[in-house]
Amino acid sequence: AQSVTQLDSQVPVFEEAPVELRCNYSSSVSVYLFWYVQYPNQGLQLLLKYLSGSTLVKGINGFEAEFNKSQTSFHLRKPSVHISDTAEYFCAVSEDDKIIFGKGTRLHILP
Amino acid sequence: KAGVTQTPRYLIKTRGQQVTLSCSPISGHRSVSWYQQTPGQGLQFLFEYFSETQRNKGNFPGRFSGRQFSNSRSEMNVSTLELGDSALYLCASSGQTIGSYNEQFFGPGTRLTVL
Repeated sequence: AQSVTQLDSQVPVFEEAPVELRCNYSSSVSVYLFWYVQYPNQGLQLLLKYLSGSTLVKGINGFEAEFNKSQTSFHLRKPSVHISDTAEYFCAVSEDDKIIFGKGTRLHILP
Repeated sequence: KAGVTQTPRYLIKTRGQQVTLSCSPISGHRSVSWYQQTPGQGLQFLFEYFSETQRNKGNFPGRFSGRQFSNSRSEMNVSTLELGDSALYLCASSGQTIGSYNEQFFGPGTRLTVL
């Protein structure tokens, strides 16, 4: 069965600084990967997805992620964060017809 | 298109009671999945329904059950509530499947508190 590891439970970063949220998944023949964001008191929203093709995936709100098959990683990056990026971010992998989520990383934006 | 809706948004129950949560998927979507979100366990898959049939099931006790109606609306039921059932219950609907890829759209969730 697939598993997803998000290495940091919380990441503090100053406003306008770059950020990287780390994600590793267990190996599989083929894999579909996702990043979701959850704002306070809301459901999950898809930020970006990797299905195939280019390993650099661009998503909404200026986020991007790079699929690295050799390192089984799918780290999320943003070059300059804003206070509105305060949220919890979930890395996920698709297995059969269900989504397996990581534990989540809380992004704290410091003024 | 309207998004996924869940009712009620908040619910308070006491131990031993049962509860029913409702989810209306995006129009045209036939798959509905349910997840439990807690601070300790994160997001855990409960089950998935497609065309009124349970297609996948997670590792939850039999107290957790669900069903799907012909209009794709889904309900989940938890019987004999325990304190540990306090969680945010999220519903997600999907309208396409490509291989094993299944883009899911999430509702806002139902916050269940068990006292």
